[in-house]
Amino acid sequence: SQTIHQWPATLVQPVGSPLSLECTVEGTSNPNLYWYRQAAGRGLQLLFYSVGIGQISSEVPQNLSASRPQDRQFILSSKKLLLSDSGFYLCAWTSGTADNEQFFGPGTRLTVL
Amino acid sequence: GQQLNQSPQSMFIQEGEDVSMNCTSSSIFNTWLWYKQDPGEGPVLLIALYKAGELTSNGRLTAQFGITRKDSFLNISASIPSDVGIYFCAGQTNDYKLSFGAGTTVTVRA
Repeated sequence: SQTIHQWPATLVQPVGSPLSLECTVEGTSNPNLYWYRQAAGRGLQLLFYSVGIGQISSEVPQNLSASRPQDRQFILSSKKLLLSDSGFYLCAWTSGTADNEQFFGPGTRLTVL
Repeated sequence: GQQLNQSPQSMFIQEGEDVSMNCTSSSIFNTWLWYKQDPGEGPVLLIALYKAGELTSNGRLTAQFGITRKDSFLNISASIPSDVGIYFCAGQTNDYKLSFGAGTTVTVRA
């Protein structure tokens, strides 16, 4: 069966520090991968998605970047964090076939102070 | 992505009651999905709908894909305390992305 992992689970970082969040998927090949941000009490905002290694699509201009160095690995990064980067970051995957169901990871709670 | 209007924004219900929430859009979707999110966790897929008019159940949950393909509803029958959480609808067109509603927060009074 397929599983999706995110780490770390929680992170507290000072303003101006770098960021690296990791997402990995097991049990599937060539998934589509997604990064979302969820502000407190709010819905899900799509940040990036990837349909293959090295292929990244950005949805909104922002202080973050994404990379996909391996088929089942998706990384969210920043060189200098802003206060507004605080939030709950969710990674998701789909099989990329006709079934478009997205499955989410457990999330990373990021607090920028 | 396309705008989804989800209502109600929140609801307080008595244990044992039936609950209904819905999503509407000005755009046509090929797929409607319903998720539940518990505090501090990722959303979990509850029901997926692929055909206009489709009615699908998952235990006490029932969801329907509207005939116009611009709306969907989710019903929860006989609410229990573990139904507490935030419910999201999501719609998909022909690309790889989902559009999400803003969520319905459900609180159950025991």
